[in-house]
Amino acid sequence: EAQVTQNPRYLITVTGKKLTVTCSQNMNHEYMSWYRQDPGLGLRQIYYSMNVEVTDKGDVPEGYKVSRKEKRNFPLILESPSPNQTSLYFCASSPTRGTYGYTFGSGTRLTVV
Amino acid sequence: GESVGLHLPTLSVQEGDNSIINCAYSNSASDYFIWYKQESGKGPQFIIDIRSNMDKRQGQRVTVLLNKTVKHLSLQIAATQPGDSAVYFCAEKGGRYSTLTFGKGTMLLVSP
Repeated sequence: EAQVTQNPRYLITVTGKKLTVTCSQNMNHEYMSWYRQDPGLGLRQIYYSMNVEVTDKGDVPEGYKVSRKEKRNFPLILESPSPNQTSLYFCASSPTRGTYGYTFGSGTRLTVV
Repeated sequence: GESVGLHLPTLSVQEGDNSIINCAYSNSASDYFIWYKQESGKGPQFIIDIRSNMDKRQGQRVTVLLNKTVKHLSLQIAATQPGDSAVYFCAEKGGRYSTLTFGKGTMLLVSP
């Protein structure tokens, strides 16, 4: 089944403790992206990747890092999480940057206390 | 945690009615538009798309209308069912090398 898989689904952590949210897609998509979703603010792009080893900032990149060492994986790294990063996170992929609709993962609900 | 549905405009309909969800987009250069459905606890799911060289596209029970003159997009759902209850987002792409920009969403509530 074609899908985008995120892990974990739920995570509660403490301020300053590094964490990684994994994202993997099995569709051989070139384009991958991370979004955060907050009430009243909609989906905001954090980082995106056009292909392996090619990443760029989205609209809200502060406090986040990404890497794209393999085509299928695009992890989101929070080096020092803060409470304002409490949010619902989605990974998405697409054959190309925007020609087609994105396939989204099921989401990761992160709480930073 | 707080639901993503809070603070959103809400459309309440009865089962069997037709629903119309509207979206105003911002970029007159946008050439590709998508509607997504997001059910509680899930990621957004693709419903239907339309390119700027069209003004109407139909799917199964859904129709998207595009009015480029006033930068308006609408999603029509025929014979709305309780399973259609969700948050609906429009998204626009402003050119070949741009990314999708998402609207804030509308919550659709369908009563039996």
